[in-house]
Amino acid sequence: QQPVQSPQAVILREGEDAVINCSSSKALYSVHWYRQKHGEAPVFLMILLKGGEQMRHEKISASFNEKKQQSSLYLTASQLSYSGTYFCGTESDSGAGSYQLTFGKGTKLSVIP
Amino acid sequence: DAGVTQSPTHLIKTRGQQVTLRCSPKSGHDTVSWYQQALGQGPQFIFQYYEEEERQRGNFPDRFSGHQFPNYSSELNVNALLLGDSALYLCASSFGLAGVGDTQYFGPGTRLTVL
Repeated sequence: QQPVQSPQAVILREGEDAVINCSSSKALYSVHWYRQKHGEAPVFLMILLKGGEQMRHEKISASFNEKKQQSSLYLTASQLSYSGTYFCGTESDSGAGSYQLTFGKGTKLSVIP
Repeated sequence: DAGVTQSPTHLIKTRGQQVTLRCSPKSGHDTVSWYQQALGQGPQFIFQYYEEEERQRGNFPDRFSGHQFPNYSSELNVNALLLGDSALYLCASSFGLAGVGDTQYFGPGTRLTVL
């Protein structure tokens, strides 16, 4: 089942902070975060594993609450380069010990000067 | 270090035709996954190839088929194209048979338009 991301879109001024949430109805083994700019490939940001620690990529960090089956992406002191659509991809057991990445619909982040 | 490459960049086909898309994985990677990304949506998993075999499959009809070659490159074939097949097709590569937490690196995609 597809994870749910919120908000769907957010507009920030340079230097402001934002939080993007990702939640699933299934038990999760990991959460992957990607950023995609218009017309480009999704770029890997970070993975959060079950039982793992909060991760960080430059001024972007993320947490994973296994019990609530939720992950949050924190963007601190946003820069113009942060603009793009952020996707979370979740891994849960799809049967026979196989794991698939299921992506949310994305959160469009626009950073303005 | 060469990243994931895909060809062609854009493709226009008509309903009922067949199409083949190609992908070369990142250097050192041996697993290729294919995704369909409709406009305004997240990527949707089609299937994954490892050791020249389809290992996992998403909820896509048999019109979607693939192949992996000994050099780890891969093809995605779609038969009897429908208007709804218009999308960005993304290839992602990783190392080893899918396990929890494997990082997938995406290629730039092929934009398919079906008229």
